[in-house]
Amino acid sequence: RKEVEQDPGPFNVPEGATVAFNCTYSNSASQSFFWYRQDCRKEPKLLMSVYSSGNEDGRFTAQLNRASQYISLLIRDSKLSDSATYLCVVNGAQAGTALIFGKGTTLSVSS
Amino acid sequence: NAGVMQNPRHLVRRRGQEARLRCSPMKGHSHVYWYRQLPEEGLKFMVYLQKENIIDESGMPKERFSAEFPKEGPSILRIQQVVRGDSAAYFCASSGANEQFFGPGTRLTVL
Repeated sequence: RKEVEQDPGPFNVPEGATVAFNCTYSNSASQSFFWYRQDCRKEPKLLMSVYSSGNEDGRFTAQLNRASQYISLLIRDSKLSDSATYLCVVNGAQAGTALIFGKGTTLSVSS
Repeated sequence: NAGVMQNPRHLVRRRGQEARLRCSPMKGHSHVYWYRQLPEEGLKFMVYLQKENIIDESGMPKERFSAEFPKEGPSILRIQQVVRGDSAAYFCASSGANEQFFGPGTRLTVL
């Protein structure tokens, strides 16, 4: 089983749509969880951290289910500028350890 | 610019040459991580360093690759006797606590 698994997509949606990405991770000892965004040939940029209680940042909502080892990202009212690859990322059992990246889910928003 | 800096942004080497990639962390950050992204693949952890110490090099190939983070100056990832399979984007990240922030990367092409 891969350490972090994501549906690669692509997800092709019109502007204004709501889209959800899912991710599962294998290490139950993982402590920190993130969504990063990567544009073509650019560096990953932190989108948001993911907390057990769930968290929201504008149009973006992230959820974590530790029991199922499942992470999700919901994007509402999609914009053209949301087109990118979304990376599900987990950290190890203690702060300062390496990040483990999923291969990413590609989103394409069209007008 | 207070972000993570990497140079060069693009590096072309012939097989058998050496490649040196440099990374300056964000101001105030003392943790540096190197990741490699092969074409069409996710980011893979290589090495984690703090000043003058290698903390975790579990992702580093055993041969030809080395990394350092001296007391003064940037962190350096060194690849000796490069081969075509080393062609990739090499990203450096720095952190102060938990979240990691990435530099723009160095794209290495081995001819």
